[in-house]
Amino acid sequence: AQTVTQSQPEMSVQEAETVTLSCTYDTSESDYYLFWYKQPPSRQMILVIRQEAYKQQNATENRFSVNFQKAAKSFSLKISDSQLGDAAMYFCAYSRGGSQGNLIFGKGTKLSVKP
Amino acid sequence: GAGVSQSPSNKVTEKGKDVELRCDPISGHTALYWYRQSLGQGLEFLIYFQGNSAPDKSGLPSDRFSAERTGGSVSTLTIQRTQQEDSAVYLCASSLRQGARNTEAFFGQGTRLTVV
Repeated sequence: AQTVTQSQPEMSVQEAETVTLSCTYDTSESDYYLFWYKQPPSRQMILVIRQEAYKQQNATENRFSVNFQKAAKSFSLKISDSQLGDAAMYFCAYSRGGSQGNLIFGKGTKLSVKP
Repeated sequence: GAGVSQSPSNKVTEKGKDVELRCDPISGHTALYWYRQSLGQGLEFLIYFQGNSAPDKSGLPSDRFSAERTGGSVSTLTIQRTQQEDSAVYLCASSLRQGARNTEAFFGQGTRLTVV
């Protein structure tokens, strides 16, 4: 069975600084996707970034980038130039290829941003 | 619609009552998913629909939980004889179709269910 582990229940970062959120996963599949979702107090899950397992290049989306280490089954999220609006719960998630709505989530990391 | 819509936003019910939670997916999305987010448990997959059929019901926690989808659009999650442990946020998501690569699941804002 696939599992996703986020070992940091809470993290804090100063505004404009950089923070890295950790995620590890376990799977025997070769075709899969990894995701980072943001959940603000509004409860709506918002996709931050997505990585396809067969792509070696790390995905980036503006201030958000990942460090995808396939052999180590590690998928960390780096947020650069942190902003107050980045404060939220962040969830790492896994899906099998072609099943991108059927997600296995980690337990989340609560990110606080200090002004 | 413009996004995934869920209703009600919040629901308080008495233990033992039945509740219905509604999800209206993005127009044209044939795949629909229900998740439960409990305090301390994270997000759990409950069930997914492709069109009106539910190939995967593996996540439904008990036979008190059921879901249906009609017309390939709106879905209803029903919880019978609610228990306090059913208290959670129920999230719905939709995507273009299961099996399509490079598609994204879009989430609604969820229904917070409180059983008292």
